[in-house]
Amino acid sequence: DQQVKQNSPSLSVQEGRISILNCDYTNSMFDYFLWYKKYPAEGPTFLISISSIKDKNEDGRFTVFLNKSAKHLSLHIVPSQPGDSAVYFCAARGVRRDDKIIFGKGTRLHILP
Amino acid sequence: DAGVTQSPTHLIKTRGQQVTLRCSPKSGHDTVSWYQQALGQGPQFIFQYYEEEERQRGNFPDRFSGHQFPNYSSELNVNALLLGDSALYLCASWLANNEQFFGPGTRLTVL
Repeated sequence: DQQVKQNSPSLSVQEGRISILNCDYTNSMFDYFLWYKKYPAEGPTFLISISSIKDKNEDGRFTVFLNKSAKHLSLHIVPSQPGDSAVYFCAARGVRRDDKIIFGKGTRLHILP
Repeated sequence: DAGVTQSPTHLIKTRGQQVTLRCSPKSGHDTVSWYQQALGQGPQFIFQYYEEEERQRGNFPDRFSGHQFPNYSSELNVNALLLGDSALYLCASWLANNEQFFGPGTRLTVL
């Protein structure tokens, strides 16, 4: 049972435009949500997170939006740059910081020149 | 700061064999988690070690075991290897109030 779902295996976006990566979750006990970025031959790198008490968190070109009622979050990247081409994982955990992290299957983002 | 390091980078084993993977956490981190990432999937939580004890465990059989040493480094052991154990094994380390940092992983192939 996939508790964190990323329904788009891949996404292609023109350089300079906005990239929107979507994620849905089923477990209402999730309290904290994270996005990781992964390049080939490297481990996932933490990108941005959001607590369930917020609906938006912004860090430079990256913004995460959370819609708790819809159990949906999204990552916006604007403007998209060639170095953003990677696999993006949506992840979630419970209230405790040491709760295990549940990952989605990932979305491969291609930034087109 | 070397970050999280893992060894070996790649490993090939045959069914039924045993394997040990190693992880050195980022400097100052005292908690280590292990994940299995199969092809086309996201990382799946195996277990977490803190103060040399297993604190949490995911849905993995007892063939998967681990250890944490006093210097916070960790080992993942898998016995009686199956073809389905072929995956990228990721180690992540962290300290309270910080996010997890992942190592580059060990690619295990079981033939």
